[in-house]
Amino acid sequence: QSVLTQPPSVSAAPGQKVTISCSGSSSNLENNYVSWYQQLPGTAPKLLIYENNKRPSGIPDRFSGSKSGTSATLGITGLQTGDEADYYCGTWDSSLNVGVFGGGTKLTVL
Amino acid sequence: QVQLVESGGGVVQPGRSLRLSCAASGFTFSSYGMHWVRQAPGKGLEWVAVIWYDGSNKYYADSVKGRFTIFRDNSKNTLSLQMNSLRAEDTAVYYCTRYNSNRFDPWGQGALVTVSS
Repeated sequence: QSVLTQPPSVSAAPGQKVTISCSGSSSNLENNYVSWYQQLPGTAPKLLIYENNKRPSGIPDRFSGSKSGTSATLGITGLQTGDEADYYCGTWDSSLNVGVFGGGTKLTVL
Repeated sequence: QVQLVESGGGVVQPGRSLRLSCAASGFTFSSYGMHWVRQAPGKGLEWVAVIWYDGSNKYYADSVKGRFTIFRDNSKNTLSLQMNSLRAEDTAVYYCTRYNSNRFDPWGQGALVTVSS
């Protein structure tokens, strides 16, 4: 059981938009930045979004992030087949002094 | 470029020990907190442990507390994870990752640990 809650899967057609939610609590999401990671099959996770809504260099603006209270959202527009991957949200839990991740969401581009 | 390379994975019997290492390069290792994160086969990411940039603080997931020890050698740019009393449920790919400005980035390629008799 992950500390952060994500939907197990989402799907959409190529070119469409999808959102992935991440729900936490006051000790983690509400009082700390959220980051998002993309994990392609057989590879290590890769940073997509940090500090709620910032993109590292090289990440296209099709990827966006937002946070409000104890929830965060990753948005992906203009879906491509290459976006098929598992997506994870992550943050720090200030009360427990532990890192926390969501259970992951598998994106299928139909 | 910034790089993290894990080593030391393998097959180990339940109850035995194993030590993972992570070699860092391309950045000032002694300035960053470092973490271990694992992923069991077919499962999601599970945070394991963190060590402060100077080794002054260490925190662990409840699932490994008392069995795993994280440590670092800033003179050798190396992060380590000593894993004792291993269990079948510790079977996973173990990643080392740098914590930088509220994000885990980059990640190593991972080291597979299989606990089996």
